[in-house]
Amino acid sequence: NAGVTQTPKFQVLKTGQSMTLQCAQDMNHEYMSWYRQDPGMGLRLIHYSVGAGITDQGEVPNGYNVSRSTTEDFPLRLLSAAPSQTSVYFCASSYSTSGLGEQFFGPGTRLTVL
Amino acid sequence: RKEVEQDPGPFNVPEGATVAFNCTYSNSASQSFFWYRQDCRKEPKLLMSVYSSGNEDGRFTAQLNRASQYISLLIRDSKLSDSATYLCVVNMYSGGGADGLTFGKGTHLIIQP
Repeated sequence: NAGVTQTPKFQVLKTGQSMTLQCAQDMNHEYMSWYRQDPGMGLRLIHYSVGAGITDQGEVPNGYNVSRSTTEDFPLRLLSAAPSQTSVYFCASSYSTSGLGEQFFGPGTRLTVL
Repeated sequence: RKEVEQDPGPFNVPEGATVAFNCTYSNSASQSFFWYRQDCRKEPKLLMSVYSSGNEDGRFTAQLNRASQYISLLIRDSKLSDSATYLCVVNMYSGGGADGLTFGKGTHLIIQP
């Protein structure tokens, strides 16, 4: 099993550009989520999904969109990048449909917005 | 306002020593507690869940004190490989899903030879 994979590993964007961060898992987990991690702050939940076709907002959803067309994939789209979105983004999945079980994280995407 | 507070450290500890650190949480109705480990520039990984009766996994012991609203992590016979950041994670909403998971900012541990 590859677990949770994320692409790209690194990305530099200019203000106003859009892009999609990819996330995939091969563990057949229903629950998937996106977090961002900033220096001096804990991980903050952006969006999450409890299954294909179902998504919901987390603590910091503004400026991000998600979709969940399959169990395996959960892409995160930045609509119009801003410097405040410079961060490390982690995708996670969980076997628990409530999301309270062990969270399996991907390796992260380091995003810089100029 | 939901809060999970940790001493950021760093804790500098000689190899072989015992080290402990705590994490306080603000919501008395919280039901689920975890310790995650995060190595530098890597993703967090579950170290252990924290149960009401306390639990042990090898050199690691986790405890929950509901009255004082904190959880603790004790590492015995520390190894160089224990150097990492330890994240406290709490479900801040009673009965809630992972939309209620709150991560602490982490405690940085450095084991010195």
